[in-house]
Amino acid sequence: DIQMTQSPSTLSASVGDRVTITCRASQSISSWLAWYQQRPGKAPKLLIYKASSLESGVPSRFSGSGSGTEFTFSISSLQPDDFATYYCQQCNTFPYTFGQGTKLEIK
Amino acid sequence: EVQLLESGGGFVQPGGSLRLSCAASGFTFSSYAMSWVRQAPGKGLEWVSGISGSGGSTFYADSVTGRFTISRDNSKNTLYLQMNSLRAEDTAVYYCAKGPKSSASLNWFDPWGQGTLVTVSS
Repeated sequence: DIQMTQSPSTLSASVGDRVTITCRASQSISSWLAWYQQRPGKAPKLLIYKASSLESGVPSRFSGSGSGTEFTFSISSLQPDDFATYYCQQCNTFPYTFGQGTKLEIK
Repeated sequence: EVQLLESGGGFVQPGGSLRLSCAASGFTFSSYAMSWVRQAPGKGLEWVSGISGSGGSTFYADSVTGRFTISRDNSKNTLYLQMNSLRAEDTAVYYCAKGPKSSASLNWFDPWGQGTLVTVSS
């Protein structure tokens, strides 16, 4: 199985900050990577697909980049609603696998 | 509006069975692959199983192969997950999620249902 390693596991930041999360795949997944946001008690929400494509309706402060085994996800200017947990997911190969999550906390 | 509504969760003893359902609306159900993804309490996301739009191709995580069966009834716009030989480690919220196309390969998930809780305990 492809292992997805996210870092950091927890990130403390303030409203207005720029933050970046990294996701590393144990083998190349081309650009077959998605990013999700999950708020407590809610279902995950798709933000980015194919590594860098912004899902319709998602604010442009969210962005993704990378290919192969190294990927990054960024939020350019944190808003209060952005404090949540973020997951990467590889969809290159079955079984699909997720990173362990990054909890974004208010500093 | 695309909507996914899971049902069928509950409390079951180890070794027992449960069937989850996911009722879909707002899109041409048979044209899209679907998956089940679970989340144990306080833990991360784990993909469980996926099925193509036609139902002809199915895929499973190693942890559930041989115990769980995914299926769909396109005439009823409903996705199912039959879970047998349940274990304590199967305790989780189970989400159904829609893929971007008919093939189950190369799928990200959007949207997700609200989830249904399965608790396996004696």
